[in-house]
Amino acid sequence: NAGVTQTPKFRVLKTGQSMTLLCAQDMNHEYMYWYRQDPGMGLRLIHYSVGEGTTAKGEVPDGYNVSRLKKQNFLLGLESAAPSQTSVYFCASTRAGYEQYFGPGTRLTVT
Amino acid sequence: AQRVTQPEKLLSVFKGAPVELKCNYSYSGSPELFWYVQYSRQRLQLLLRHISRESIKGFTADLNKGETSFHLKKPFAQEEDSAMYYCALRGTDKLIFGTGTRLQVFP
Repeated sequence: NAGVTQTPKFRVLKTGQSMTLLCAQDMNHEYMYWYRQDPGMGLRLIHYSVGEGTTAKGEVPDGYNVSRLKKQNFLLGLESAAPSQTSVYFCASTRAGYEQYFGPGTRLTVT
Repeated sequence: AQRVTQPEKLLSVFKGAPVELKCNYSYSGSPELFWYVQYSRQRLQLLLRHISRESIKGFTADLNKGETSFHLKKPFAQEEDSAMYYCALRGTDKLIFGTGTRLQVFP
């Protein structure tokens, strides 16, 4: 099993550009999450999903959109990137009552 | 409100010294708590969960409901313990993470 994978690993965007981060899991987990990690701020939840076709806002959802069209995939979109969105993005998945499994992260820089 | 507090951003110790990483929580009900670890430039991984009462890599953590704490302890730190440590509380459909403590173990 590959577990949780994320693409791309690195990306540099100019302000105003858009992009989509892909998270994929092969563990048949119902729940999926997108976090951002910033120095001194820890992990902050952006959006999450409790099942295919569902999404919900987390702690810091502004400027991001998500979609969960297939159970194994969770997409995070930035419609108009801003320098404040420079961060490391982590995806995670789990099934109810179990630990979260994290992806390797995507390092995004917005100039 | 459901909240996790890790008061120390950075904890520096020498190899062989005892380590205690503090975690306090706010939760009404019976909490379920975790410690996750992130080694340099790697993904987060589960270190401990309180319901399993295990010792992993020499680390232990005891849930103290009276003090609403779940501190992570190790009697003798090793250089390979240097990492970022996150305490987490199971909320509704998600985990609530603290802001993390960076542990530096010097030789």
